[in-house]
Amino acid sequence: AQKITQTQPGMFVQEKEAVTLDCTYDTSDPSYGLFWYKQPSSGEMIFLIYQGSYDQQNATEGRYSLNFQKARKSANLVISASQLGDSAMYFCAMRANSGGYQKVAFGIGTKLQVIP
Amino acid sequence: NAGVTQTPKFRILKIGQSMTLQCAQDMNHNYMYWYRQDPGMGLKLIYYSVGAGITDKGEVPNGYNVSRSTTEDFPLRLELAAPSQTSVYFCASSPPDRGPREKLFFGSGTQLSVL
Repeated sequence: AQKITQTQPGMFVQEKEAVTLDCTYDTSDPSYGLFWYKQPSSGEMIFLIYQGSYDQQNATEGRYSLNFQKARKSANLVISASQLGDSAMYFCAMRANSGGYQKVAFGIGTKLQVIP
Repeated sequence: NAGVTQTPKFRILKIGQSMTLQCAQDMNHNYMYWYRQDPGMGLKLIYYSVGAGITDKGEVPNGYNVSRSTTEDFPLRLELAAPSQTSVYFCASSPPDRGPREKLFFGSGTQLSVL
């Protein structure tokens, strides 16, 4: 079975500080992909960053980096120099083969609030 | 470049009515997905498709049906609507690539209320 776990319902961070959003996953598929998406209050889903299971280095995209610890099945999102516009819901997701075809499952999300 | 187009954006149904949520993509993506998002919650997979003629159930398929007769279209059918189906519905698509290109492209969502 394929499972994504986000254990932080809500997080606060001071503007300009860094914040880590936790994500753990479980799959028996050796080839999988991990994603983070941002959902602002307007509702659209915005892709942030991707990490493949065979990637040797942690992914980075501007102020976003993914702390990938394969043995621990952990894929935490690090946002550096937080901005007020980073206030949103953040979802971790995984593409893997689960009982048939490749599919993408999401965690329940973490609500991040950036404090001025 | 339209991407993923969902219609309608909003809909109110009465209990027991049926409707079809439309989803179309113009990127020639193999994979298409339907998710529902309840208030304050994450996305739950309803159905997905890996290509024309091939669909499979996700984690919450009850009360829904899908078909995929073309690469472009992936409609979601609600039969006998129930209040529990009140949610925001997202359609998404992705290419068959592996790597950063395999990200999901989302539609803008359909807000459905069943009263």
